[in-house]
Amino acid sequence: KQEVTQIPAALSVPEGENLVLNCSFTDSAIYNLQWFRQDPGKGLTSLLLIQSSQREQTSGRLNASLDKSSGRSTLYIAASQPGDSATYLCAVCHDYKLSFGAGTTVTVRA
Amino acid sequence: NAGVTQTPKFRVLKTGQSMTLLCAQDMNHEYMYWYRQDPGMGLRLIHYSVGEGTTAKGEVPDGYNVSRLKKQNFLLGLESAAPSQTSVYFCASSRGTVEAFFGQGTRLTVV
Repeated sequence: KQEVTQIPAALSVPEGENLVLNCSFTDSAIYNLQWFRQDPGKGLTSLLLIQSSQREQTSGRLNASLDKSSGRSTLYIAASQPGDSATYLCAVCHDYKLSFGAGTTVTVRA
Repeated sequence: NAGVTQTPKFRVLKTGQSMTLLCAQDMNHEYMYWYRQDPGMGLRLIHYSVGEGTTAKGEVPDGYNVSRLKKQNFLLGLESAAPSQTSVYFCASSRGTVEAFFGQGTRLTVV
């Protein structure tokens, strides 16, 4: 069974600091890994998708890396802003299903 | 584009009542999924479908049934609701190994 873990569960940083969010998974036989953002009471918004053959993916201030052999992914958010406050979820795609971590709740203090 | 649409957005049920949640996607995706999200537990897969007419059990299928009679629709049924089924339900669709798209969720309370 695929187990996905996100550490830390919560993170509070001052505005302007870089954010580092970690995701680990137990089975390296994945098709891809996807990072999502979820605002309170809202749905999931896709941020980045990394295919299993890729090492990283970038979009604006966001950069995600993937080390499939060690079962790890890291999401970097540069120069954080109060608007980045949300819960960030990682999900791995295996057997055509997504398995999720419990998320990291980020608070960026102005 | 509508993407993935869930109906209803909110519902309150009494214990023992039944209901059906509807998920509709307009992206011609083969794969559709139902998840539930509970505080501190992330999203857990209830049932999924790899194509029209197919369904399969996920991680937490007990107490739920599903049907995929049309490619664009995936229905989640609760035959006899229990308080333990109070949760936020999300539907998603994808082409399988690429990006998954999620609906806005259905907040269900069973009293």
